[in-house]
Amino acid sequence: KAGVTQTPRYLIKTRGQQVTLSCSPISGHRSVSWYQQTPGQGLQFLFEYFSETQRNKGNFPGRFSGRQFSNSRSEMNVSTLELGDSALYLCASSLGASGTTYEQYFGPGTRLTVT
Amino acid sequence: AQSVTQLDSQVPVFEEAPVELRCNYSSSVSVYLFWYVQYPNQGLQLLLKYLSGSTLVESINGFEAEFNKSQTSFHLRKPSVHISDTAEYFCAVSPPGGSYIPTFGRGTSLIVHP
Repeated sequence: KAGVTQTPRYLIKTRGQQVTLSCSPISGHRSVSWYQQTPGQGLQFLFEYFSETQRNKGNFPGRFSGRQFSNSRSEMNVSTLELGDSALYLCASSLGASGTTYEQYFGPGTRLTVT
Repeated sequence: AQSVTQLDSQVPVFEEAPVELRCNYSSSVSVYLFWYVQYPNQGLQLLLKYLSGSTLVESINGFEAEFNKSQTSFHLRKPSVHISDTAEYFCAVSPPGGSYIPTFGRGTSLIVHP
């Protein structure tokens, strides 16, 4: 099976702009989670989508949003970028259904730099 | 709610020496436990997991972890490390059931010196 893919791998944006990141989960996985990873804050959970619905949400401002499509692919969007949004954004997929273990498979991440 | 504490942010060690990366957790319910590894410029990869049964779990590359319920710990060990083990290691816990998001620790940077 192909692993989790994320595009683009690297991105440079300017403050105030918006950005959209994409994640394609492992085939058959219905849950997609997004994380922000920075040296200072570590790995922070953004949100999780399961069957096109946001099921869990972390503590991030409304500038961070996401969605999931019927094929389980997911996008996350960050509007009005700030310098502090510079981070590695990781996507993880899992089966996600009740009765399964929450074993996550991570993509390689998108490195976002805001200047 | 769960929380995870990785007691060491950085662990330097010489090649072929043993290593232990510590992880403690707190939870009001039973949990599943995971160790993930992140190599430079990559995403996280599952190293091993404890779901139930034997409290000692092993990975294919020589790491092992032991679930200790009384001490609420899940320490990761390897008897002899290689340079290639240099990476960031994350401990995570999750309640049983596929709808729960795991809680991750802050990570431990394992640095193996020649």
